[in-house]
Amino acid sequence: DAMVIQNPRYQVTQFGKPVTLSCSQTLNHNVMYWYQQKSSQAPKLLFHYYDKDFNNEADTPDNFQSRRPNTSFCFLDIRSPGLGDAAMYLCATSWLAGETQYFGPGTRLLVL
Amino acid sequence: SQQGEEDPQALSIQEGENATMNCSYKTSINNLQWYRQNSGRGLVHLILIRSNEREKHSGRLRVTLDTSKKSSSLLITASRAADTASYFCATEQNFGNEKLTFGTGTRLTIIP
Repeated sequence: DAMVIQNPRYQVTQFGKPVTLSCSQTLNHNVMYWYQQKSSQAPKLLFHYYDKDFNNEADTPDNFQSRRPNTSFCFLDIRSPGLGDAAMYLCATSWLAGETQYFGPGTRLLVL
Repeated sequence: SQQGEEDPQALSIQEGENATMNCSYKTSINNLQWYRQNSGRGLVHLILIRSNEREKHSGRLRVTLDTSKKSSSLLITASRAADTASYFCATEQNFGNEKLTFGTGTRLTIIP
């Protein structure tokens, strides 16, 4: 089945230790998104790719970076995680920007 | 500030009853979408309604959109225990910024 896959599902890292979260899709969608969601809050968009065009949200900290080496894969790099970065990170895809988004199961990040 | 605000924040009903959630937004939109999120999981798309549509149905779900009031409602009929989840509205604003802005969510609990 076509889907959005996120690895790992749970990630524990130490304060300040770089971490990379991965997302892959078999839907062949043009657009890939990364969201941060903290407990009982709405998903907050960090950035998205329309094909290879990178779009960063104005309030996304510089600590967060992203790479999309090909259509299928997208990575979220957190260069120096702080305690406030502990959250669920959601990857989503869509065929066209602004249309229906398909979400992965999320990666829950814990920072010690 | 967030585009969507949802009401109520939390709702508990008996199984078999109908559940209604409301979403208000601030600026003109191209479309409005509803998503469901089970605890600790990714979001699942439910319905997309475009700005020129007033009502859509999908199974036990009914969505209405009133662009003059900048509001939408999601009705779940004959609720089931499996409907227990958080429900989010998300809007695509009509100046084509290629992204969705999520509302604050309604936490729905179905009591067996």
